Amino acid sequence: GAGVSQSPSNKVTEKGKDVELRCDPISGHTALYWYRQSLGQGLEFLIYFQGNSAPDKSGLPSDRFSAERTGGSVSTLTIQRTQQEDSAVYLCASSPNQIRNGELFFGEGSRLTVL
Amino acid sequence: AQSVTQLGSHVSVSEGALVLLRCNYSSSVPPYLFWYVQYPNQGLQLLLKYTSAATLVKGINGFEAEFKKSETSFHLTKPSAHMSDAAEYFCAVSEDTGNQFYFGTGTSLTVIP
Repeated sequence: GAGVSQSPSNKVTEKGKDVELRCDPISGHTALYWYRQSLGQGLEFLIYFQGNSAPDKSGLPSDRFSAERTGGSVSTLTIQRTQQEDSAVYLCASSPNQIRNGELFFGEGSRLTVL
Repeated sequence: AQSVTQLGSHVSVSEGALVLLRCNYSSSVPPYLFWYVQYPNQGLQLLLKYTSAATLVKGINGFEAEFKKSETSFHLTKPSAHMSDAAEYFCAVSEDTGNQFYFGTGTSLTVIP
């Protein structure tokens, strides 16, 4: 596609439910990143994929969070047993390759609200 | 380890006035530095980046930033603010040896008519 696409754009769920957030990166981009943006907290790194593998999962806040990427393209971020503190905007970004000085291309984010 | 500090979570300037958004970084190796802008309800887009070429970097919409190694700074400036510049601005650092991008907490710019 023309840009990074994320869905859903907005998700309201009840505490304890599971949610899945989807990211469709720019075609041909091998690197994919997930960030979480909370009010006043900046961008919190969650996980990074190079192809289908995740060399860096250090940012996942707890074992309730997981992510996968299939076919070197679409990625899904899953949050199990959601808590209110999971409420945030989840941003996905992709990059052309394992680059040293390139930029990240961001989607518009998925806003998650846990009631 | 790398980190980015943005001084001032909120900055207000009058239309036509100088914009100065501050960013300091820490890095054990020569860094790559970026400024991103986020308009309301949109994703982040790149304003400019420093990649060890010229220390003064020009970006889109009249913004520029200067890499100062001695001060470990990469402040963003624009000579004359426009109403359309109102947005959230993020500084980020990346290292040559890694693929991790570290973002600052952001600075919200308000432009007063």
